[in-house]
Amino acid sequence: QQQVKQSPQSLIVQKGGISIINCAYENTAFDYFPWYQQFPGKGPALLIAIRPDVSEKKEGRFTISFNKSAKQFSLHIMDSQPGDSATYFCAASYSWGKLQFGAGTQVVVTP
Amino acid sequence: EAQVTQNPRYLITVTGKKLTVTCSQNMNHEYMSWYRQDPGLGLRQIYYSMNVEVTDKGDVPEGYKVSRKEKRNFPLILESPSPNQTSLYFCASRNVGVLRGAGELFFGEGSRLTVL
Repeated sequence: QQQVKQSPQSLIVQKGGISIINCAYENTAFDYFPWYQQFPGKGPALLIAIRPDVSEKKEGRFTISFNKSAKQFSLHIMDSQPGDSATYFCAASYSWGKLQFGAGTQVVVTP
Repeated sequence: EAQVTQNPRYLITVTGKKLTVTCSQNMNHEYMSWYRQDPGLGLRQIYYSMNVEVTDKGDVPEGYKVSRKEKRNFPLILESPSPNQTSLYFCASRNVGVLRGAGELFFGEGSRLTVL
């Protein structure tokens, strides 16, 4: 039973468009919410992370939005590029605990 | 270069033939972990280790063993592999700091295992 539910399973977006991936969690003790990016044949790598004391964090074209009351957080990829084509995993943990990963979203950015 | 190295990267074996997937990290990380990745299920933790000689079960430990005799190495052992262990396996490591559960996980490039 996954503690972090991620959607959609896959999405296709045109170059220059916005990709949005959503995650929801149940455990209110979670206090660390990272996103990992995985290219084919590679291991996941940390993309961006947020703590619940802020509602938004932006790094370049990647933004995490966090809604504590709804227990949801999302990744927005602005001006999507073909090089962003990858699988994205959301995750959550509490400070003394392990990361719980979502099921992953395969993003394809078409030229 | 800081990295997590797994071997073998690809392996085809038969049911019941013991195998070991090695994992080594050069970042002096205390924490190491094994995950399996299956379509639609994401990354599920098999075992983890907070330090040398300290290991614990993750979410899907059945059929696997681990050991942590040295800080840098964390091998995954399948004593009697079965077809349901066909998967993509990842080793990962990170520091254990003040915020023990948080912090960046560094992953290896994966080991694709097929059990016939």
